[in-house]
This record gives sequence, structure tokens and C-alpha cells, in this order.
Amino acid sequence: GDSVTQMEGPVTLSEEAFLTINCTYTATGYPSLFWYVQYPGEGLQLLLKATKADDKGSNKGFEATYRKETTSFHLEKGSVQVSDSAVYFCALIREGRRALTFGSGTRLQVQP
Amino acid sequence: DGGITQSPKYLFRKEGQNVTLSCEQNLNHDAMYWYRQDPGQGLRLIYYSQIVNDFQKGDIAEGYSVSREKKESFPLTVTSAQKNPTAFYLCASSIQGSNSPLHFGNGTRLTVT
Repeated sequence: GDSVTQMEGPVTLSEEAFLTINCTYTATGYPSLFWYVQYPGEGLQLLLKATKADDKGSNKGFEATYRKETTSFHLEKGSVQVSDSAVYFCALIREGRRALTFGSGTRLQVQP
Repeated sequence: DGGITQSPKYLFRKEGQNVTLSCEQNLNHDAMYWYRQDPGQGLRLIYYSQIVNDFQKGDIAEGYSVSREKKESFPLTVTSAQKNPTAFYLCASSIQGSNSPLHFGNGTRLTVT
């Protein structure tokens, strides 16, 4: 079945550091890929998405590129802020499927 | 403003009692979903509904029930048959289509003692 694997957290960085959160997936065909963010005590918000190979999703300084050859969708940001502290979820869905499959989430803590 | 409202934010129940979690959306979305979130396990799908009066079991439906009598509403009942009900429950909605992003409510934290 479909699955998403994320690096374990927490990831602790200083403000303005470079961020990478790894995400790899297992799915047949060409799924659509997503990153969601969850701030403390809230639901999830869509951060970015990519629907085909080599697409790059971007939003609020975050980027992720759909790499079919490595089945990966790593999240990056060049300079993190304290306000980026949250839990980040990688997710996928295949065409015709019922709902998203989520990874286990990676907690990011940014220190001033 | 359009969105999804889950209530209450915190809910406490005694073991053996059924409890219903509310989810209302005014986004005019056809599809609605219930997920359960546990530490370190990500989100797991409980039930989903693509249209009114129709719903399907997700990956962990045992011990839960839902109804979809109105497009705007998708309440989840946690029954006494659910062995580990204490969790954070998230409701979401989307327009139809696999690439459509999910819109989430702010969740209900259920504690059963």
C-alpha cells in the first residue's frame, strides 16, 4: 500500500539556519504530493503541493521538488524563523484514491 | 469567513460512554473526512464521505460511527467499543478530486478516563 516516511524529529535549529526535512514515499503510479503544517493547538494547513514529477511547490519561503527517480519530496527553507516552529507533515494521494496518506510528522523547533 | 468548525475543543468522558464530536463546514465542500492524530503516528483516516447520505470506512473505523445528513455537517461518534479513544480528532473537507487540498478544523482533544 501507499506509505510516506519522514525523518524523525524534533529538528532544532537556530534562527536563520537552513532547513531540510526529508520525505520519501512508496506508491504506484504518479501520486500528488503535499506538505502540511500544524501550529500548536491547531489543525493542519496546506503549505505547498506538487502534482507531477519535477514540479516544484513553493510557499512562504518553503520549497519542495517532486523527485520521481528518488521517490522523494524534501522540504527546504533557506532561513527559518521562530514563527516556523510547528509540526510538518508530508502526504500523498494517488489519482482516484479516497483520501490522503500522511507521514508521521516532523516537529521543528527554531530558537532565537 | 468560510471554514470548518469543530466543537468542543476539549472533551472529557468516562470510560463506557459514547461521545459525539461536531464538525460543521461552510465551504460548500462535498467531501468530508475524520482523522485521528496520535503522537508519533501522524494522521489516520477514520471515516470519509464524498456526498450527503453516503460515507465509507477508513483505515481505523472500528469503534466509531458517523452520519452525513447534511452537506455542512459530519459528526463523529466515539463509541464505548473503541478501545483507545483518547486522542486528537481532526475533521477536514475538500472539493471533489484527488488533487484538491484538505481544509482542516482546529481539532477536538478527547480524553477518556
